[in-house]
Amino acid sequence: EDQVTQSPEALRLQEGESSSLNCSYTVSGLRGLFWYRQDPGKGPEFLFTLYSAGEEKEKERLKATLTKKESFLHITAPKPEDSATYLCAVSGANNAGNMLTFGGGTRLMVKP
Amino acid sequence: ETGVTQTPRHLVMGMTNKKSLKCEQHLGHNAMYWYKQSAKKPLELMFVYSLEERVENNSVPSRFSPECPNSSHLFLHLHTLQPEDSALYLCASSQEWTGFGYTFGSGTRLTVV
Repeated sequence: EDQVTQSPEALRLQEGESSSLNCSYTVSGLRGLFWYRQDPGKGPEFLFTLYSAGEEKEKERLKATLTKKESFLHITAPKPEDSATYLCAVSGANNAGNMLTFGGGTRLMVKP
Repeated sequence: ETGVTQTPRHLVMGMTNKKSLKCEQHLGHNAMYWYKQSAKKPLELMFVYSLEERVENNSVPSRFSPECPNSSHLFLHLHTLQPEDSALYLCASSQEWTGFGYTFGSGTRLTVV
């Protein structure tokens, strides 16, 4: 059974204070690891897909990296508008179609 | 209208009521999903439809009944719910396997009283 664990559960940062969010996973045959952003009262918004260890993707102040056991979402010089819950999910070869297993998320709060 | 649209956005229902949640996608995707999101818990997969056939029913109680009349529409019929069913219900769609992940709707916030 695929498993995803995210840490920390919550993270408070000052504006400009860089940090990283962790996503540890166990999956049989990784097909893809996904990062989403979710704002309160809204559905998750797709950020990145990573397919293999060593891969990196960037978007504005966010950079996602992947190893064989975990993924990191690095946030460089965050701004208050980066405050949201960040979700990690995996798709494994044992799952039919495109079913994803999600972690519990990290709630990020960036103070001005 | 583009993306994934869910209606209603908010729903309050009694335990003896019957109601339906609606999801519509305008992306040309061929797979649709229902997820439940409760406080302090990860997103829980409820149902998956691929090419209008149900391919996954993740041990969901029978008081939840999905319907997928075509590849663009998905319903979740609700009856005799319990207070613990109160949650955010999210619909998503994808092209079977694109690697781009799901496109989610904004969800229906359900409160059972």
